[in-house]
Amino acid sequence: SAVISQKPSRDICQRGTSLTIQCQVDSQVTMMFWYRQQPGQSLTLIATANQGSEATYESGFVIDKFPISRPNLTFSTLTVSNMSPEDSSIYLCSVVTGVGTGYTFGSGTRLTVV
Amino acid sequence: QKEVEQNSGPLSVPEGAIASLNCTYSDRGSQSFFWYRQYSGKSPELIMSIYSNGDKEDGRFTAQLNKASQYVSLLIRDSQPSDSATYLCAVNIKSPNAGGTSYGKLTFGQGTILTVHP
Repeated sequence: SAVISQKPSRDICQRGTSLTIQCQVDSQVTMMFWYRQQPGQSLTLIATANQGSEATYESGFVIDKFPISRPNLTFSTLTVSNMSPEDSSIYLCSVVTGVGTGYTFGSGTRLTVV
Repeated sequence: QKEVEQNSGPLSVPEGAIASLNCTYSDRGSQSFFWYRQYSGKSPELIMSIYSNGDKEDGRFTAQLNKASQYVSLLIRDSQPSDSATYLCAVNIKSPNAGGTSYGKLTFGQGTILTVHP
């Protein structure tokens, strides 16, 4: 399965600022997924990022708040914009790479907005 | 109705017992099913995937799928304290290719907290 390097692992940010999270995969993948996990909750898909096209956002998530870049088949970024304390969550990227490997997750970014 | 729903927890079992985790899903088009384990402060780790009706065994883990009933379960035999974690059921609806993989988005259940006590 793929190995994903996600950074930063954690950050504490001031409200109103933005944070960009990076995910680097050790192999080329068609689709990358960005999830949010709020405290004590399960994972919620934010958007699907395909190389060369705009990301597809799930209901309740908008590009202005969570812009995504996908410049190539091994890399993606998610920006959390104009942050508020409600954005305090763990953000995870995920990919699927091959037969029977399922979906692999990055190590996550724990974001606290103060 | 939630798209993916897991049996309410938390679940507590003694060491050596069988832990049974259940999950139902609402979309009959769902084709691929996954169980993830998540330790506190860590990212989810895939432990089982299942695509066809019936049972799939891997070591102490058995996944069971019944598409007619829209039900998937995970059995953990000989439970160990190290199995204590949150277990997440995940489903997607995109049909698997000939290799059995699926490339659609995953929808997760709310998770079941399992505690295995010595």
